[in-house]
Amino acid sequence: AAGVIQSPRHLIKEKRETATLKCYPIPRHDTVYWYQQGPGQDPQFLISFYEKMQSDKGSIPDRFSAQQFSDYHSELNMSSLELGDSALYFCASSKVTGEDTQYFGPGTRLTVL
Amino acid sequence: SQQGEEDPQALSIQEGENATMNCSYKTSINNLQWYRQNSGRGLVHLILIRSNEREKHSGRLRVTLDTSKKSSSLLITASRAADTASYFCATDAGNNDMRFGAGTRLTVKP
Repeated sequence: AAGVIQSPRHLIKEKRETATLKCYPIPRHDTVYWYQQGPGQDPQFLISFYEKMQSDKGSIPDRFSAQQFSDYHSELNMSSLELGDSALYFCASSKVTGEDTQYFGPGTRLTVL
Repeated sequence: SQQGEEDPQALSIQEGENATMNCSYKTSINNLQWYRQNSGRGLVHLILIRSNEREKHSGRLRVTLDTSKKSSSLLITASRAADTASYFCATDAGNNDMRFGAGTRLTVKP
């Protein structure tokens, strides 16, 4: 079965650079979630989108922005990168049916040098 | 395909009953972790079991790992309404390559 796809899987950037992470949800899923998991930490919810509109906002820094496109894929844009942004970024998708089970992608590992 | 598959995807029980959730995976792992998620927010780490361990307890939680069957189970005993949440397993195959399963939505009715 098709799963959530994230690209790239690994990304190395320097401080103050920008990064764009992409997430392709499972076909026919209409909701996308972004999470950040720092070393030794629990995944923290950043932001979610439903039908291309922001549906919920968590601990997303102002330097980050995200959007969901007409094909339901989502991009997380990160600017002025800091060392502390080094983390595993997970995307999850779901279909609003009442169950709302989230399916996680494999994650993008961002390393900021 | 997903690394981990939760079984069942949804589980509804009465308060006081036990809840068992299963997780299967496909590749070799270093450890397997169970997480809890409330209302689509961040995940909270519950328990980690290493590949050389077979069973682990934490309060009302009991986790088993069968590496020969590539499966794990999470048992919550004497469930409470506050246990209502989604539960995910995540496998770590090394190099911090974590793969989350599909999750089980547990509803505990008072």
